Amino acid sequence: ETGVTQTPRHLVMGMTNKKSLKCEQHLGHNAMYWYKQSAKKPLELMFVYSLEERVENNSVPSRFSPECPNSSHLFLHLHTLQPEDSALYLCASSQDSDYEQYFGPGTRLTVT
Amino acid sequence: GENVEQHPSTLSVQEGDSAVIKCTYSDSASNYFPWYKQELGKRPQLIIDIRSNVGEKKDQRIAVTLNKTAKHFSLHITETQPEDSAVYFCAAINDYKLSFGAGTTVTVRA
Repeated sequence: ETGVTQTPRHLVMGMTNKKSLKCEQHLGHNAMYWYKQSAKKPLELMFVYSLEERVENNSVPSRFSPECPNSSHLFLHLHTLQPEDSALYLCASSQDSDYEQYFGPGTRLTVT
Repeated sequence: GENVEQHPSTLSVQEGDSAVIKCTYSDSASNYFPWYKQELGKRPQLIIDIRSNVGEKKDQRIAVTLNKTAKHFSLHITETQPEDSAVYFCAAINDYKLSFGAGTTVTVRA
């Protein structure tokens, strides 16, 4: 359960704030992912990094900005969010695309 | 891009009965099909997966079947137990193009 960690676990922010979510994996994987999980919606893939390079960006608004400084760390920078951005943000890692993804515990984000 | 449809959205079964969840996908190049289980308040965890060169895979009470021609795959849980109650997600993956199904909430009645 400690292979992928996320901080903070809960975050409340106003629409004009700037905050960052952090993810760290201790599994030696080469790919990391950001997902958004809203009630009654599928897991939405936001960004994928492979070997620290972004390989997928699924039409995510520019108010979400990812950063992958190395293969163990992944950040999601947030600015001028909207209330509909409130959701659980999950980070995951895997060794290549066609292997099991290990998920972090998520950050519960509330935008007020 | 890939589009995955998952049915049913909710499933209630009597303890000991079987549960079946079905998914269809659109990208014929998808070659990896994992199933994740997410218990309430917890993170998704892989329970079984199958690759496109295999038609069926079994792990104790859980099995997955894949029909590449029809582009659908299914999860089968036999002898269900209360601890099987959770949300189950299927996914279809082609390189780093992946899409998850909307999830099936399974409730096992004691």
